[in-house]
Amino acid sequence: KAGVTQTPRYLIKTRGQQVTLSCSPISGHRSVSWYQQTPGQGLQFLFEYFSETQRNKGNFPGRFSGRQFSNSRSEMNVSTLELGDSALYLCASSLGQRNYEQYFGPGTRLTVT
Amino acid sequence: AQSVTQLDSHVSVSEGTPVLLRCNYSSSYSPSLFWYVQHPNKGLQLLLKYTSAATLVKGINGFEAEFKKSETSFHLTKPSAHMSDAAEYFCVVIRGWNNNNDMRFGAGTRLTVKP
Repeated sequence: KAGVTQTPRYLIKTRGQQVTLSCSPISGHRSVSWYQQTPGQGLQFLFEYFSETQRNKGNFPGRFSGRQFSNSRSEMNVSTLELGDSALYLCASSLGQRNYEQYFGPGTRLTVT
Repeated sequence: AQSVTQLDSHVSVSEGTPVLLRCNYSSSYSPSLFWYVQHPNKGLQLLLKYTSAATLVKGINGFEAEFKKSETSFHLTKPSAHMSDAAEYFCVVIRGWNNNNDMRFGAGTRLTVKP
């Protein structure tokens, strides 16, 4: 079975721009979660989508949004980029029920200049 | 609220010696706990999980963890460290009581293995 894939792997953007990151889950997985990883804040939960609906949301501003398509692929969008948005963005997929382990992709490294 | 605290930010061991990475949790009810490992420039890989079944959980690569409710701990151990174990390790708790995959990560413990 193919793992979780994320595209692009690396991205450089300028302050004020917007960016869209993509995540393709493991086949059969209906839940996709997004996380931000920075040296200062560690790993922080952004949001989770299940069957095209946002099921849970972390403590991030509205500039961070996402969506999930009918094939369970998910996109995350960040508008009006700030320097502090530079991070590794990780996507994880799971079957969707509680206690099922999440499988992580390799991440997208976003650098904002 | 569910949370985890990893007691050591950095642990250094010699190859062939035991590994102990400490994690304490805070939970108002029976938690689901996980250990993940992250090698440099890689995503996270699940080592093991506890979901209220056996308190001693065996994972991949010789790692295991014991859930101790009385001590609110879920420490990760391995009898003999290998050079390939050098990585960042995260203790994780699932926050919420329903079908909620909001995972809360500890700050991480960086494991160094000396030859």
